[in-house]
Amino acid sequence: AQKITQTQPGMFVQEKEAVTLDCTYDTSDQSYGLFWYKQPSSGEMIFLIYQGSYDEQNATEGRYSLNFQKARKSANLVISASQLGDSAMYFCAMREAYNTDKLIFGTGTRLQVFP
Amino acid sequence: EPEVTQTPSHQVTQMGQEVILRCVPISNHLYFYWYRQILGQKVEFLVSFYNNEISEKSEIFDDQFSVERPDGSNFTLKIRSTKLEDSAMYFCASSVRGLGNQPQHFGDGTRLSIL
Repeated sequence: AQKITQTQPGMFVQEKEAVTLDCTYDTSDQSYGLFWYKQPSSGEMIFLIYQGSYDEQNATEGRYSLNFQKARKSANLVISASQLGDSAMYFCAMREAYNTDKLIFGTGTRLQVFP
Repeated sequence: EPEVTQTPSHQVTQMGQEVILRCVPISNHLYFYWYRQILGQKVEFLVSFYNNEISEKSEIFDDQFSVERPDGSNFTLKIRSTKLEDSAMYFCASSVRGLGNQPQHFGDGTRLSIL
């Protein structure tokens, strides 16, 4: 079974609009962390935001927020006021269990922002 | 802002040759990682390294691969007897500590092409 599922291979959004990128995860652990990374066409991986399984509030970092629904095992990324520079691949990743620090990545969502 | 640096950005190697990919993690980080991303696929964990030894490795990380921290700043991935299927983007990452909410910061990657 997939540990991280990103069901949207591609998304389009108009500049200045908000967009939600979906991520669901599968784990039986109680302690885990969820991360979002951005990969522009140049290839680097840029850390965006983190949500811990015990965090009671949704994480926010500037224009990025994470809609964490633990019972549904979803950790959707919300980008507000999209900018042309937000066009990139976005990966959801999970650090599972207490005794491992490897990240498990989803297949990514390609976001394109148009004027 | 401090960053993880990787060299070279692109490496072209004949099949069967050995290749060394180099990384300089962020200076106060203690945990180091290698991931790879085959073109069009998701990012896959290879190995984590702490206190001068491997702390975890995936099944991809077989005897063909090795890692080393030869001095206080560099972290290298050696691939012996390269195969065509080793062609991928290789990312080095580092974090202040493992586990918890600390993100792994990625370098820009080395694109490895095996001919």
